[in-house]
Amino acid sequence: GENVEQHPSTLSVQEGDSAVIKCTYSDSASNYFPWYKQELGKRPQLIIDIRSNVGEKKDQRIAVTLNKTAKHFSLHITETQPEDSAVYFCAPKAGTDKLIFGTGTRLQVFP
Amino acid sequence: DTGVSQNPRHKITKRGQNVTFRCDPISEHNRLYWYRQTLGQGPEFLTYFQNEAQLEKSRLLSDRFSAERPKGSFSTLEIQRTEQGDSAMYLCASSLATENEKLFFGSGTQLSVL
Repeated sequence: GENVEQHPSTLSVQEGDSAVIKCTYSDSASNYFPWYKQELGKRPQLIIDIRSNVGEKKDQRIAVTLNKTAKHFSLHITETQPEDSAVYFCAPKAGTDKLIFGTGTRLQVFP
Repeated sequence: DTGVSQNPRHKITKRGQNVTFRCDPISEHNRLYWYRQTLGQGPEFLTYFQNEAQLEKSRLLSDRFSAERPKGSFSTLEIQRTEQGDSAMYLCASSLATENEKLFFGSGTQLSVL
């Protein structure tokens, strides 16, 4: 089955700095690469996703980049704000119709 | 509220008891997923339905767990003879068949087994 790892497991940044979270996966058949954000006590919410025919996608302050050859994709958050503090999960999808979630990265943005 | 709805929000039970949770997906979504999440971990896949058909069930799911979606709308997840290791947040998510990767999660049911 798919093996999904995220690094780092925790990340602390100063407000205004950038944050990068990396997700590595094992299944070369993976073709869909989303990132979910889960605030404390809340439900996971999709924030950005990318498909395997695209290398990068941006949505305001967040972006996702994909390296299919190396089997990893990354979440980039620029100009971080305190409300970006949350746990972020990658969840690549291969041939089956389910998402396999990583173990999460806890991001803390200090004012 | 047109989002995914789960009931109850919290459930405390004694070991050995049976519990049942309900999920109401977004109305036009024909896919429904159950995940389980423990503290500090990502959601772990349990099972999913397309309409009323249960298409996949995790190998991690013991025989004590059963899920149904009888009319292709709401779903129930039952755990029989609960164990302390079943304590977790049980999350339901739904999606459109045409965009089935985009999951919309409910707020979950927090189960505590004493």
